[in-house]
Amino acid sequence: DVKVTQSSRYLVKRTGEKVFLECVQDMDHENMFWYRQDPGLGLRLIYFSYDVKMKEKGDIPEGYSVSREKKERFSLILESASTNQTSMYLCASSLVGADTGELFFGEGSRLTVL
Amino acid sequence: AQSVSQHNHHVILSEAASLELGCNYSYGGTVNLFWYVQYPGQHLQLLLKYFSGDPLVKGIKGFEAEFIKSKFSFNLRKPSVQWSDTAEYFCAVIRDSNYQLIWGAGTKLIIKP
Repeated sequence: DVKVTQSSRYLVKRTGEKVFLECVQDMDHENMFWYRQDPGLGLRLIYFSYDVKMKEKGDIPEGYSVSREKKERFSLILESASTNQTSMYLCASSLVGADTGELFFGEGSRLTVL
Repeated sequence: AQSVSQHNHHVILSEAASLELGCNYSYGGTVNLFWYVQYPGQHLQLLLKYFSGDPLVKGIKGFEAEFIKSKFSFNLRKPSVQWSDTAEYFCAVIRDSNYQLIWGAGTKLIIKP
């Protein structure tokens, strides 16, 4: 079974703090993704990475950055958290190839910014 | 812009009722289609997928979906729902320009015991 592990299930941070969300997958997947999930908006892609040290902006990258130094690890960074970044953050991974689109998700990190 | 529409944000059914959740997409080319499910407190997981071939696809837990190309639809069905089907269901379409998924807004399904 593919396992995608997100470091924190729940975080509470103050406005202006730097926030790190970590994600590790154990199945040697090339692709990794960060989404945010908000009620009524579905999943919106923040960033994705198709290889180590490679990253591409998704639909809503503003206010976020990412890091992929190792194949299994993909980090999301909020340089200066704001209240509108309160959300559920989902990490996912997938293989490159015919099954692209079949994503394996972590359990999510619910971030509250006060 | 390509988009995915899920017709209902909330659906409430009694056990044993039949289910159909609507999904329409706007892209006119070749598509790969997915339904994902998120049970309360759990991670999102794949329910079923369509890439090509038989437009009626079967997934886990008795779910099925029918791809109707002329209607740009990929509706999810189950003939008799159970309380354990309470979850949020997401339709998604592959964006073939860069292989990224486009997601619907989700439908929260509540099954009354």
